[in-house]
Amino acid sequence: DTGVSQDPRHKITKRGQNVTFRCDPISEHNRLYWYRQTLGQGPEFLTYFQNEAQLEKSRLLSDRFSAERPKGSFSTLEIQRTEQGDSAMYLCASSPGQGAAPEQFFGPGTRLTVL
Amino acid sequence: GNSVTQMEGPVTLSEEAFLTINCTYTATGYPSLFWYVQYPGEGLQLLLKATKADDKGSNKGFEATYRKETTSFHLEKGSVQVSDSAVYFCALSPFSGGYNKLIFGAGTRLAVHP
Repeated sequence: DTGVSQDPRHKITKRGQNVTFRCDPISEHNRLYWYRQTLGQGPEFLTYFQNEAQLEKSRLLSDRFSAERPKGSFSTLEIQRTEQGDSAMYLCASSPGQGAAPEQFFGPGTRLTVL
Repeated sequence: GNSVTQMEGPVTLSEEAFLTINCTYTATGYPSLFWYVQYPGEGLQLLLKATKADDKGSNKGFEATYRKETTSFHLEKGSVQVSDSAVYFCALSPFSGGYNKLIFGAGTRLAVHP
């Protein structure tokens, strides 16, 4: 399977704990995006990487959130001191770097539940 | 700012009925427009896109036309099937920064009955 993969698929944690999610994009894609989706809503943009450079962060990404893409391949999203409001589906997507509106390919998501 | 508004669901249709899901947008500049679909238990998939005014995107019998004058990108299909049951998201990508973050609507759930 050469699609976007995310790990873990589900994460249950207690309030105040730290969690880290991983995304492996399609290998030749240099653009990588993180989105967050809550129940009944569309995904909301969190952050964008081109290769290893983080070029935009949404205001939704508070100081407790940090994302990295150290070698321009996989990416991690860490949430520190989780809160119940962080419960959501976290989606990763990748796309090629060429074209005016290249398709973003989405992973299956990591569902986070904060108790 | 940039935003997308789409009709609330659920939309319930009988097989072979005509489908319209309305989508309107607000954007600065000249966005690209998309419809993504999420089938039960699966991830988001691109259904179709249009990158400039009057473009028509089409795929799997679905169509949508980029209407700049009405800031709309309504999704249509002439004859729906049970297998079309899914959640449909309208999205735009602002023309900024040389990349394509997506701004999504809230989604419209479609249920098609035999």
